[in-house]
Amino acid sequence: QVQLAQSGAEVKKPGATVRVSCKASGYTFSSYTIHWVRQAPGRGLEWMGWISGGNGNRKYSQKFEDRVTITSDTSASTAYMDLSRLRFDDAAVYFCARGYSGDDPKIDQWGQGTLVTVSS
Amino acid sequence: QSVLTQPPSASGTPGQRVTISCSGSKSNIGRNYVDWYQHVPGTAPKLLIYRNNQRPSGVPDRFSGSKSGTSASLAIGGLRSEDEADYYCAAWDDSLNGRLLFGGGTNLTVL
Repeated sequence: QVQLAQSGAEVKKPGATVRVSCKASGYTFSSYTIHWVRQAPGRGLEWMGWISGGNGNRKYSQKFEDRVTITSDTSASTAYMDLSRLRFDDAAVYFCARGYSGDDPKIDQWGQGTLVTVSS
Repeated sequence: QSVLTQPPSASGTPGQRVTISCSGSKSNIGRNYVDWYQHVPGTAPKLLIYRNNQRPSGVPDRFSGSKSGTSASLAIGGLRSEDEADYYCAAWDDSLNGRLLFGGGTNLTVL
């Protein structure tokens, strides 16, 4: 079955960079996109960006585009999200999720989430 | 502050029908499909509705979606206690050049 397995919880200091990985299985990685979405405590879902598993095209939310980098390794069916210059308000659960290319994102499978704590 | 506007909360009693609205603009809901997600805190979100009104397999037909102009709605009929969750609408926004928007979310309470 389709699974997205994310890396474990991270504790980082302000100003540091965090990398979260997302290993996909059970489907053809190159046929779908991977989205990154986060939820801070007490806040709603917030879209950060996506990458095409096929051609590596990517798009970032304007809010994060100077700090986020999304990459993928098709041979390993794995996507990565790097968030740099971490701030206290970046503390959140970060989700990767599978989406469809085209006119409907239809994000139909989600990872388990990775808790990122920012603490000095 | 999200560009897709949802009421922060909604409630209903078991068996009731509840509707959650999502208001946007021409560049997002007006020109693109709307998806809906159910999120129970501490778990992964779940796709409930795609392409405005399509249900993935396994989603009960108590859940239905609709869209008109720059607004969309999610209706939940025969409300059950397990429906208590946060609900989010989402759509591409053409003015943001291929970026996705989520609504602010609606917390549904089953009384």
